[in-house]
Amino acid sequence: DQQVKQNSPSLSVQEGRISILNCDYTNSMFDYFLWYKKYPAEGPTFLISISSIKDKNEDGRFTVFLNKSAKHLSLHIVPSQPGDSAVYFCAAVHGGTYKYIFGTGTRLKVLA
Amino acid sequence: DVKVTQSSRYLVKRTGEKVFLECVQDMDHENMFWYRQDPGLGLRLIYFSYDVKMKEKGDIPEGYSVSREKKERFSLILESASTNQTSMYLCASSPYSNQPQHFGDGTRLSIL
Repeated sequence: DQQVKQNSPSLSVQEGRISILNCDYTNSMFDYFLWYKKYPAEGPTFLISISSIKDKNEDGRFTVFLNKSAKHLSLHIVPSQPGDSAVYFCAAVHGGTYKYIFGTGTRLKVLA
Repeated sequence: DVKVTQSSRYLVKRTGEKVFLECVQDMDHENMFWYRQDPGLGLRLIYFSYDVKMKEKGDIPEGYSVSREKKERFSLILESASTNQTSMYLCASSPYSNQPQHFGDGTRLSIL
């Protein structure tokens, strides 16, 4: 039973346009969410996070939106750059636990 | 910057061997984690540790054990390696539960 789902395995976007990566979850006890970026042959790198008490968090070109009623999380990258090409994982945490539940990842390709 | 170092980038072992994967972090983090990453399955938690000599099973602990004798070091042990344990293994650390985990660059393990 997959509690965190990334339904799009891949996404291609033109340089300068917006990239939107989506993530759905089923467990309403999750209260902290994160996005990681992973390049080939490297470990995942933390990008941005959001607590369930917020619905939006921004950091430069990256914005994460949380819709608790829909149990939906999205990452917006504006403007997209070729260096953003990577696999993006969302993760969810049940409050007070140490366990991250990861999605299966979305491979983003930004075309120059 | 947090540094999580995994002892090997690539490792080839034979079925039935006992395999040790080592991980060291330099930020005095309380928590350390071992994941495996497989195509289409995302990152799955094998074991984690929230203190020296403490360990907890993750989602897929079968066939693995761990050791944490010092705060900075967390070892993953494959007691008797099997071909279905061929995977990318990722180590991570975090200061406490609702803080981002920092990952090493991974060990690609092949069991022949």
